[in-house]
Amino acid sequence: SQQGEEDPQALSIQEGENATMNCSYKTSINNLQWYRQNSGRGLVHLILIRSNEREKHSGRLRVTLDTSKKSSSLLITASRAADTASYFCATAYNAGNMLTFGGGTRLMVKP
Amino acid sequence: NAGVMQNPRHLVRRRGQEARLRCSPMKGHSHVYWYRQLPEEGLKFMVYLQKENIIDESGMPKERFSAEFPKEGPSILRIQQVVRGDSAAYFCASSPSAVNEQFFGPGTRLTVL
Repeated sequence: SQQGEEDPQALSIQEGENATMNCSYKTSINNLQWYRQNSGRGLVHLILIRSNEREKHSGRLRVTLDTSKKSSSLLITASRAADTASYFCATAYNAGNMLTFGGGTRLMVKP
Repeated sequence: NAGVMQNPRHLVRRRGQEARLRCSPMKGHSHVYWYRQLPEEGLKFMVYLQKENIIDESGMPKERFSAEFPKEGPSILRIQQVVRGDSAAYFCASSPSAVNEQFFGPGTRLTVL
């Protein structure tokens, strides 16, 4: 089974609203990364949060990590239509830093 | 600094042919990872390489698939005798070390007819 699972699988909001996506994982991790993928395109790295960190910010993005619950959340504030994409969390849990991806959350932001 | 380069972007092969996918990591990155993405799914790890060495190939099918990262030149993912089930997007990522974020290329979309 997948190490990371996103919730919800799909999310539709209006422009200007906040979008929250959650990710759960099973084993201890070195770090957790969030990526965005536009339809048919490659992945864009958003944020990396290490296992000893609890929260990180980058522009309109806020990521939290709760290692006791083995979960993370990605918050996009003041969403824009251009934020429409699939968002994946990926966990790195061994020395090689190989990533295990969840199935993604498909976000649609309506103008 | 150019990003991760992959070519070709699209590749069509008939069953039984060979597919060669190339990945040039970002400058200064010696760690390369290959992932496969089936439609509507997340990425699945295939293989992790450093220069001239395969570090972990636990996600790669035992038959028909191979990967290399020579001292000079790009990393190559090779699929022999392709089957329809190999149709997918193949992404390469690079990193300067094993503890940093990975930067992904645009992917190669393989279609097997």
